[in-house]
Amino acid sequence: GESVGLHLPTLSVQEGDNSIINCAYSNSASDYFIWYKQESGKGPQFIIDIRSNMDKRQGQRVTVLLNKTVKHLSLQIAATQPGDSAVYFCAEDSSGYSTLTFGKGTMLLVSP
Amino acid sequence: EAQVTQNPRYLITVTGKKLTVTCSQNMNHEYMSWYRQDPGLGLRQIYYSMNVEVTDKGDVPEGYKVSRKEKRNFPLILESPSPNQTSLYFCASSTSPGQGAQNEKLFFGSGTQLSVL
Repeated sequence: GESVGLHLPTLSVQEGDNSIINCAYSNSASDYFIWYKQESGKGPQFIIDIRSNMDKRQGQRVTVLLNKTVKHLSLQIAATQPGDSAVYFCAEDSSGYSTLTFGKGTMLLVSP
Repeated sequence: EAQVTQNPRYLITVTGKKLTVTCSQNMNHEYMSWYRQDPGLGLRQIYYSMNVEVTDKGDVPEGYKVSRKEKRNFPLILESPSPNQTSLYFCASSTSPGQGAQNEKLFFGSGTQLSVL
């Protein structure tokens, strides 16, 4: 999961494994959630989003799960590849762009 | 190619010397925003703009200015930089949802690493 410490939590997996990155959000009024991927030296890149009226949404090799009861969001990456190595951020939005709040990030390391 | 372009990528300056980081997007987006990224603190919003001539403060606006004279450009201005503004800065843009509409994803630039000595 995500941390407020100086060091990012890190998830290390082998190539081909499935990865699960977790995020706890704080605002029960948040109605839109986004996952971003940030590779070294680049800006965050949109991966997948989900609205609060959904529990699950699937993309290509990625699935986002939303549990509003416990305010928890997860990103599942199937058949993880070395190119998936990056920092992953969740973000929540309760009332529009101006209040988009980002998590601290989780570093995913994929070994060949 | 749709993109958000920031310049410069790297900047080293001294305390008190005014600087501007430029941001331009070619997607005709109404909404633009500046973030700073610091270890352990994640991405924090500095200023945002819902449209031309409309700007507002984010979470950490102190020491920064912005302007939105044209739709495509949203420069970040540091009138008198200080060492605590050493950070990685990102500009982002998206379409504006309007009142009550759904949100759209943010497109980010590649970042500007600023060091204030």
